[in-house]
Amino acid sequence: GAVVSQHPSRVICKSGTSVKIECRSLDFQATTMFWYRQFPKKSLMLMATSNEGSKATYEQGVEKDKFLINHASLTLSTLTVTSAHPEDSSFYICSARHLSGNTIYFGEGSWLTVV
Amino acid sequence: AQKVTQAQTEISVVEKEDVTLDCVYETRDTTYYLFWYKQPPSGELVFLIRRNSFDEQNEISGRYSWNFQKSTSSFNFTITASQVVDSAVYFCALSEATETSGSRLTFGEGTQLTVNP
Repeated sequence: GAVVSQHPSRVICKSGTSVKIECRSLDFQATTMFWYRQFPKKSLMLMATSNEGSKATYEQGVEKDKFLINHASLTLSTLTVTSAHPEDSSFYICSARHLSGNTIYFGEGSWLTVV
Repeated sequence: AQKVTQAQTEISVVEKEDVTLDCVYETRDTTYYLFWYKQPPSGELVFLIRRNSFDEQNEISGRYSWNFQKSTSSFNFTITASQVVDSAVYFCALSEATETSGSRLTFGEGTQLTVNP
């Protein structure tokens, strides 16, 4: 079964609204989680690294005020897409690094459609 | 900067054929990890293998095998006797192995494999 869970798996929202995507590590603690974005038929692009208890580290070109990341606990990171626009429609997928080593687990991904 | 290149955008084979997916990488790190993931149409990433840069032994797991050649910076993936269920996008990825990096993954562009009956 999944060890990293994302919710919701699919969401449709209206332009101008904000939407939150959750990433949970189900049976392990993860001090570091990662958020990726994937356009159709394209590769996964790292958006940001989420560190528990501290600010996220964003990749170059990613707007931190638009993609708010919060990692409030060792098992939960959230990505909030603020003032969403149709161009934000994409597949967002998170991963979590297990504390014990270098094993990385991916969530099932979340499809966001902004209409 | 790290880079992963999967030159094959799409590959189409007939069931039972063997198929090799190529992956070439660039990194300045001496220690790193290489990965292969499978992404079926549903979207989730299925972990297939992780290989440490110090371990150049080839690996076989059932119908899957991986050929890691540090001299050519390649980490190719072969599926033997392909099946229709192998149809998916396959991603090769590279990760730094330092604590401070947090193991961020750099992905290749992916190879769409279609196995026809």
